[in-house]
Amino acid sequence: NAGVTQTPKFQVLKTGQSMTLQCAQDMNHNSMYWYRQDPGMGLRLIYYSASEGTTDKGEVPNGYNVSRLNKREFSLRLESAAPSQTSVYFCASTRDRASDTQYFGPGTRLTVL
Amino acid sequence: GESVGLHLPTLSVQEGDNSIINCAYSNSASDYFIWYKQESGKGPQFIIDIRSNMDKRQGQRVTVLLNKTVKHLSLQIAATQPGDSAVYFCAENANAGGTSYGKLTFGQGTILTVHP
Repeated sequence: NAGVTQTPKFQVLKTGQSMTLQCAQDMNHNSMYWYRQDPGMGLRLIYYSASEGTTDKGEVPNGYNVSRLNKREFSLRLESAAPSQTSVYFCASTRDRASDTQYFGPGTRLTVL
Repeated sequence: GESVGLHLPTLSVQEGDNSIINCAYSNSASDYFIWYKQESGKGPQFIIDIRSNMDKRQGQRVTVLLNKTVKHLSLQIAATQPGDSAVYFCAENANAGGTSYGKLTFGQGTILTVHP
């Protein structure tokens, strides 16, 4: 049982390049989330998926798109990366909704030059 | 407590001391609160949670206290160990009638350093 896994662990992009961050969970959780964490700050929600087939915007969705590929996988795409998107990105999952514990992946460190 | 900006609050303690980490939350409608521990280079790890119908909850070496009147949350760690050194985040969730699918709002964190 690996929990929540993310790939890649590190990535460097040039401004304007695109990439997709992958996330998968093996806990049969219904809800999945993408957060970004900037230096000295807490996590901010980018997008979430309450259940397979649904996605919704979080606090900071601009410049990102997501796909809930199936129950296990939730990907985050940067179509045209900008330096302001340099951050550490965390994926998380919960069994269901509000009061369930969120389990986090190890993070992807993204630098946009 | 939490502060705005790049400089996180810090707490330094000696091994064996008790630690208290504070958090002021913003939303009076929040009804579920969680404390996370984040070690360097890792994702946040769940420590303990509390619902708004409680004012205290105890775990193994940790206690969370909730004061809804002043919107304050604290995490107490007993007999702090060097392995407890990390950044600690509080998070809140406003259930909004049961439709908030685990949407947490995180505080900015407190750095705990435990000296042997």
